[in-house]
Amino acid sequence: EVQLVESGGGLVQPGGSLRLSCAASGFTFSSNWMHWVRQAPGKGPVWVSRINSDGSSTSYADSVKGRFTISRDNAKNTLYLQMNSLRAEDTAVYYCARKGPGTGTFDPWGQGTLVTVSS
Amino acid sequence: EIVLTQSPGTLSLSPGERATLSCRASQSVSNNYLAWYQQKPGQAPRLLIYGASSRATGIPDRFSGSGSGTDFTLTISRLEPEDFAVYYCQQYDSSPLYTFGQGTKLEIK
Repeated sequence: EVQLVESGGGLVQPGGSLRLSCAASGFTFSSNWMHWVRQAPGKGPVWVSRINSDGSSTSYADSVKGRFTISRDNAKNTLYLQMNSLRAEDTAVYYCARKGPGTGTFDPWGQGTLVTVSS
Repeated sequence: EIVLTQSPGTLSLSPGERATLSCRASQSVSNNYLAWYQQKPGQAPRLLIYGASSRATGIPDRFSGSGSGTDFTLTISRLEPEDFAVYYCQQYDSSPLYTFGQGTKLEIK
């Protein structure tokens, strides 16, 4: 069974940092592109970042470019999101997701980890 | 950026009825790069449809997608109790600037 399990969320002050992790199992992690998608309370999902299978290529939404860094460790089957200079508007549930069928879909998603940026 | 507008915001129907959800794009979505997701409270979204009309693995055939260009539709032929949820459309034409709609809440009447 394919599983994605996020961790690392929590309460952080504005300007602070957090590193999220996503542990993958049940599939060949090293062969798959991976994404981070976030969802603020009561809002629709918003794509954050993606990384290719070997980690050599990354992309970011404009809202996080220069502040967030996506990375992966294929030996540990783990995806990461380093978040710096956090703002109140970064408050959301953060999901990791595998690239799904049709080139740009997300399937499956993890259960999510909540990041709250507040003083 | 391609903006997706979903309608209606809330749809109230009874089990057994047919549901029709709409997703309109601010510009044409090439190659029908349009997906639909279902999200239940406290859960992550689940992929239902990709390529505008292809069902994802394990999705019942009461779910179908159609449309092209700027207008897309998700149809649930006969609502089951477990289908009441929020539904989002997503475009992946302007990769990697993927965008989602604001969602349609399907509630029990």
